[in-house]
Amino acid sequence: EAAVTQSPRNKVAVTGGKVTLSCNQTNNHNNMYWYRQDTGHGLRLIHYSYGAGSTEKGDIPDGYKASRPSQENFSLILELATPSQTSVYFCASGWDKNTEVFFGKGTRLTVV
Amino acid sequence: QQKVQQSPESLSVPEGGMASLNCTSSDRNFQYFWWYRQHSGEGPKALMSIFSDGDKKEGRFTAHLNKASLHVSLHIRDSQPSDSALYFCAASEQGGADRLTFGKGTQLIIQP
Repeated sequence: EAAVTQSPRNKVAVTGGKVTLSCNQTNNHNNMYWYRQDTGHGLRLIHYSYGAGSTEKGDIPDGYKASRPSQENFSLILELATPSQTSVYFCASGWDKNTEVFFGKGTRLTVV
Repeated sequence: QQKVQQSPESLSVPEGGMASLNCTSSDRNFQYFWWYRQHSGEGPKALMSIFSDGDKKEGRFTAHLNKASLHVSLHIRDSQPSDSALYFCAASEQGGADRLTFGKGTQLIIQP
């Protein structure tokens, strides 16, 4: 079974602070994704990557940065966290859009 | 405008019954569709894909795609309590970027 591990699983951050969410996959997948899940909005794509060193903007990239330093790791960075970024964040990996994408268990972020 | 729309928002079905979920795309570029399922506290997991017109059956699950109307459905026969979950329809573009666009989801409750 493909493995995608997110850390931390829960995080409380202060408004204006910097937050880094980490994701590691051991599937050797080229593509990695960051989504956020909010009631009434489903899953929305923030950033994605085709491989080490690449990042692409998704549908809602404002306020977020991404970093893909290696094939295995993909980070989501909130430089100045705001309460509107309180959400559950999911990392995922896959070969391409026409093969199964595997999700991590999620990170619950609360910005106070 | 939401590019992938799902209905109903929630659905309650008695155990052993048939559950029918619907998905429509407003973007004709979307040609490939997936159904993902998310149990409470977990990440979404792929159920099945459907890329061609017609039906695709996997066990108790049958997906149907009509590319002309961009309508996809998922039918679950002999519903079990373990089928209670949030179901997402996801779509990707033909020839487009390696990314999935998700709907808002249908909450399925199977009543014992």
